[in-house]
Amino acid sequence: KQEVTQIPAALSVPEGENLVLNCSFTDSAIYNLQWFRQDPGKGLTSLLLIQSSQREQTSGRLNASLDKSSGRSTLYIAASQPGDSATYLCAVYGGATNKLIFGTGTLLAVQP
Amino acid sequence: NAGVTQTPKFRVLKTGQSMTLLCAQDMNHEYMYWYRQDPGMGLRLIHYSVGEGTTAKGEVPDGYNVSRLKKQNFLLGLESAAPSQTSVYFCASRAMSQGAHNQPQHFGDGTRLSIL
Repeated sequence: KQEVTQIPAALSVPEGENLVLNCSFTDSAIYNLQWFRQDPGKGLTSLLLIQSSQREQTSGRLNASLDKSSGRSTLYIAASQPGDSATYLCAVYGGATNKLIFGTGTLLAVQP
Repeated sequence: NAGVTQTPKFRVLKTGQSMTLLCAQDMNHEYMYWYRQDPGMGLRLIHYSVGEGTTAKGEVPDGYNVSRLKKQNFLLGLESAAPSQTSVYFCASRAMSQGAHNQPQHFGDGTRLSIL
């Protein structure tokens, strides 16, 4: 059974700092991995999707990497801003089951 | 540019009552999903649909039913609500995969449901 773990559960950093969020998964037979952002009381916004054949994806100040063999992904946020404060979720897609399996998220607070 | 729209946004029910949550998407997506999100549990898949007229069970289907009579709509029903179904419910949709590349899921803003 696929399990997705995100560490740390919560993180507080000063504005301007570069930071890394971690995601690990137990079954490396995935089709893709997706990073989401969730603001309080809101739905999930897709940030980046990395296909299993890819090593990384970039969007603006965000860079996500994928190492399937070790079951790990990282989300790198450069020059963090207070507007980046949110919960960040990673999810892996195994294809055969049509399911996204989610981690429980990292709550990020960027202090001005 | 509506994307995925969920109604209602909030609802309070008494134990034993029934209700239907509506999800509508305007992106012509084939796949639609219903999740519930609970503290410390993450998002869990309730039911999903791979096309109009089809439905399938997810990870936590008990106590829920779904229907996909029209491609753009996916309904989630609670026949007899229980306090354990107090949660935030999210609907999502995605386009059909293109070759080996899967498409991202797009989420609605959620329905906050309390069962007393």
